[in-house]
Amino acid sequence: NAGVTQTPKFQVLKTGQSMTLQCAQDMNHEYMSWYRQDPGMGLRLIHYSVGAGITDQGEVPNGYNVSRSTTEDFPLRLLSAAPSQTSVYFCASSRASGGSTDTQYFGPGTRLTVL
Amino acid sequence: AQTVTQSQPEMSVQEAETVTLSCTYDTSESDYYLFWYKQPPSRQMILVIRQEAYKQQNATENRFSVNFQKAAKSFSLKISDSQLGDAAMYFCAYLKANAGKSTFGDGTTLTVKP
Repeated sequence: NAGVTQTPKFQVLKTGQSMTLQCAQDMNHEYMSWYRQDPGMGLRLIHYSVGAGITDQGEVPNGYNVSRSTTEDFPLRLLSAAPSQTSVYFCASSRASGGSTDTQYFGPGTRLTVL
Repeated sequence: AQTVTQSQPEMSVQEAETVTLSCTYDTSESDYYLFWYKQPPSRQMILVIRQEAYKQQNATENRFSVNFQKAAKSFSLKISDSQLGDAAMYFCAYLKANAGKSTFGDGTTLTVKP
């Protein structure tokens, strides 16, 4: 298993540009989520999904869109990039069944710089 | 809403010594999980240890152990026989059961001195 994969690893955008951060998992996990990590801070939840076709907002959703058409993929779209969105973005997935499998698995992160 | 607080922005330990990182959380839920993650300069989130709230026994993983005090909502991480490779940022995280989303503290930077 590849686990959780994210592309690209690095990205530089100009203010106002749009782009999509890709996230995929091959563990058949129902839950997927996106976080951002600003310097010196912990991870903050942007959006999450409990299954294909179902998404909801997290703590810091403004400026981002998500959709979940398949179990495997959960892309994050930046509509009009702003310097305040300069951050490291993490995607994570976990099972819905709870118990010993209720653990989030994280991708390697995407470092985004908006000029 | 759940909150997670790590009150020690930075900690330092001598190689081979023991260090304890603190974490407190706030929740009204009864079914949840607590985690400690290690984040080295590569930024990869590495799971260190996991604790189920319904278990009274403290989790241990080799040199890493926790002191879980459910009533006090406290979840500290003890690293024994510290090694240079333990130097990293450590995050405490809360995960409500069957919710698929975590709440993180702001992290503690651990320095290990040779």
